[in-house]
Amino acid sequence: EIVMTQSPATLSVSPGERATLSCRASQSVSSSLAWYQQKPGQAPRLLIYGASTRATGIPARFSGSGSGTEFTLTISSLQSEDFAVYYCQQYNNWSYTFGQGTKLEIK
Amino acid sequence: EVQLVESGGGLVKPGGSLRLSCAASGFTFSTYSMNWVRQAPGKGLEWVSSISSSSSYIYYADSVKGRFTISRDNAKNSLYLQMNSLRAEDTAVYYCARVHGGSYVDAFDIWGQGTMVTVSS
Repeated sequence: EIVMTQSPATLSVSPGERATLSCRASQSVSSSLAWYQQKPGQAPRLLIYGASTRATGIPARFSGSGSGTEFTLTISSLQSEDFAVYYCQQYNNWSYTFGQGTKLEIK
Repeated sequence: EVQLVESGGGLVKPGGSLRLSCAASGFTFSTYSMNWVRQAPGKGLEWVSSISSSSSYIYYADSVKGRFTISRDNAKNSLYLQMNSLRAEDTAVYYCARVHGGSYVDAFDIWGQGTMVTVSS
């Protein structure tokens, strides 16, 4: 099983600042990496797929990068609605795995 | 509107069974692979099972293999999860999710609102 490790567990950032979230895979997943945002009481929402392609309707302040085993989600200028939990997911094969999540909180 | 709506959750005793359903609308259900993902209270996301568009390929997480069965009825635009031999650790919100772009394997672009399953005596 491919293990996905996210860091940090919690990130405190002020509105308007940049946030950088990391995700590491235990073995290469090529570019088969997605990022999701989840707010309390809501289902996850797809932000990024293919490591760097924004999903439909996702603002340009969200960007993804990386390949192989190291990936990054960057939110360029945090808005109030961006404070949530973020998960990475690999889909390199049928056994999908998620990271444990990074909670992005207001500083 | 593209939509997934889960139902069938509830309270069940350990060892019991439950069948979840997911009704799809707003897209051609028969051309998409589908999944079940769960989230225990206060915890992260865990992939449970996948089924390809024609049911040719079916996969399970090790934690549910042999106990859960995924299926679909393309004529009814519906996805199912039969859960047997339920354990306390199966307690979670269960989401159905669509695979992006009609691929066999890809990110999950549409999610339902979830249905809660509680396993307790």
